[in-house]
Amino acid sequence: AQSVTQLDSHVSVSEGTPVLLRCNYSSSYSPSLFWYVQHPNKGLQLLLKYTSAATLVKGINGFEAEFKKSETSFHLTKPSAHMSDAAEYFCVVRLTGGGNKLTFGTGTQLKVEL
Amino acid sequence: SQTIHQWPATLVQPVGSPLSLECTVEGTSNPNLYWYRQAAGRGLQLLFYSIGIGQISSEVPQNLSASRPQDRQFILSSKKLLLSDSGFYLCAWSRAVSSYNEQFFGPGTRLTVL
Repeated sequence: AQSVTQLDSHVSVSEGTPVLLRCNYSSSYSPSLFWYVQHPNKGLQLLLKYTSAATLVKGINGFEAEFKKSETSFHLTKPSAHMSDAAEYFCVVRLTGGGNKLTFGTGTQLKVEL
Repeated sequence: SQTIHQWPATLVQPVGSPLSLECTVEGTSNPNLYWYRQAAGRGLQLLFYSIGIGQISSEVPQNLSASRPQDRQFILSSKKLLLSDSGFYLCAWSRAVSSYNEQFFGPGTRLTVL
């Protein structure tokens, strides 16, 4: 069965410093992986998706993620944090089978300090 | 372009009262549709998904139900709300045909049951 584990429930960085949000996946097949962001009381917005075309995936707002099969990881990074990046981030894996269902990680709350 | 709407945005209901949350999608045909619940401090839980009109799959046993009376309309209902039904309800859609279907989320409905 497919699943994702987000290793940190909270991450705090200073503005202008790099961001690293960690995610490990479990899948018997070549997975479809996504990162979503959720600002308070808002819906989820897709940041990026892994489609197997390239292991380094670039997303919106300067975020990117690297798919590492040997480490079963799909960590989200950004070179320089901005105050507006403060939000909750979800690592997501698509389940095989009908309905195109997704399994969400438990989320990482990113705090950006001045 | 595609858009997804949810209403109401917020709702406060007494225990035992009925519930009806509505979700509509514009700009696409025959989407897969999903209802999620996000409880405070927890990740997203898939409640229902639908691959077509009148076709509903339930993921968890509960006192909620879903219906899809039209291609782009998805309704979440309850006959009698429980305190545990409080949470943030998110509707999402995805394309029916593709290998890497991301889901697109609505703005959500904040439900408080008192």
